[in-house]
Amino acid sequence: DIQMTQSPSFLSASVGDRVTLSCKASQNINKYLAWYQQKLGEAPKLLIYNANSLQTGIPSRFSGSGSGTDFTLTISSLQPEDVATYFCLQHNSWRTFGGGTKLELK
Amino acid sequence: EVQLQESGPGLVKPSQSLSLTCSVTGYSITSNYWGWIRKFPGNKMEWMGYISYSGSTSYNPSLKSRISITRDTSKNQFFLQLNSVTTEDTATYYCARSGVRRVGDYWGQGVMVTVSS
Repeated sequence: DIQMTQSPSFLSASVGDRVTLSCKASQNINKYLAWYQQKLGEAPKLLIYNANSLQTGIPSRFSGSGSGTDFTLTISSLQPEDVATYFCLQHNSWRTFGGGTKLELK
Repeated sequence: EVQLQESGPGLVKPSQSLSLTCSVTGYSITSNYWGWIRKFPGNKMEWMGYISYSGSTSYNPSLKSRISITRDTSKNQFFLQLNSVTTEDTATYYCARSGVRRVGDYWGQGVMVTVSS
């Protein structure tokens, strides 16, 4: 089984900050990685697919990078509406989620 | 617009079966892939399985003996059945659409299911 490890588990940042979230796979998953945002009480929303492709309608301040085992989600300038939990998902071998990063405003 | 809506009982007794329906509007389930995902208390998420545009299925190996996903194309619905549930199956259950590259591009709002006697 492929394990996905997200870090940090919790992050506090200020409006306007550049925020970087990490997701590491226990083995090579090529670029088969997606990032989701989930706000309290809402369904998850796809932000990034194929590691670095921005989903339609998602603001350009969100970007993804990486391949193989190490991946990053970057928010270039944090906005108040970005407060949420962020999950990564690998779909190279079945599908496994990371444990999530909860992002709040400082 | 693609919309998905889960429905089903919010309370299931241990050892019984959990049955949920995902009703899809705005898109035919005879295209793409349609899956079930759950989120446990404490935030861990698990992709349970999916049914394809052709009706073929693929299941999480950890659930393979207990899970079944079926569909009714005439109603544009697909279904989850999870057998022999325990309290560890207590979770919020989501249905979602996937493409070949865009996994989980549309989700339902989720339904909370508690397994308790």
